[in-house]
Amino acid sequence: QQKVQQSPESLIVPEGGMASLNCTFSDRNSQYFWWYRQHSGEGPKALMSIFSNGDKKEGRFTAHLNKASLYVSLHIKDSQPSDSALYFCAVTGFASALTFGSGTKVIVLP
Amino acid sequence: GPKVLQIPSHQIIDMGQMVTLNCDPVSNHLYFYWYKQILGQQMEFLVNFYNGKVMEKSKLFKDQFSVERPDGSYFTLKIQPTALEDSAVYFCASSDWGEGDTQYFGPGTRLLVL
Repeated sequence: QQKVQQSPESLIVPEGGMASLNCTFSDRNSQYFWWYRQHSGEGPKALMSIFSNGDKKEGRFTAHLNKASLYVSLHIKDSQPSDSALYFCAVTGFASALTFGSGTKVIVLP
Repeated sequence: GPKVLQIPSHQIIDMGQMVTLNCDPVSNHLYFYWYKQILGQQMEFLVNFYNGKVMEKSKLFKDQFSVERPDGSYFTLKIQPTALEDSAVYFCASSDWGEGDTQYFGPGTRLLVL
């Protein structure tokens, strides 16, 4: 059974700083990886996906995937107070069900 | 962006009663999902649904749970009878196609079973 683990549990970043989130997964056959962001009281919203090894950049967000190391990460550059949220790593498994990590709470201080 | 709606936003119900959670998925999406999130814990997959059928369900999808989408209307999750451990936030999601496609989530229904 797929296990997805995230670190750190929480992260405090100054406005304009860099936030780095880590995620490991257990199933070597996993193919599709996602980062979701959830603001308090809302549903999770897909931030970005990454399917191939290496880096993928979308604006201030960069995801990195290393399937051999069972590792995926997310870096947020120039963090803004609006980036304060719960961030989930998720991996697509059988029949497209998402397996989520336990989340990293990011707080960006103005 | 695409929006998934969920009705009601909150529901309080007595243990043993039936509850139906409603989801209005993104128009033209074909795949539908339910996830459960207990406060302070991670989101967990319950079930997915395509072409009128359950494709896959997790061990959390108990016999008391059922899903349907009659005539293209709401995608529903019914729990009958409810138990105390069913208290959670239930999120509906939809996607255009299956594996590899973005799942769009609704705002959730907060269910409290007393």
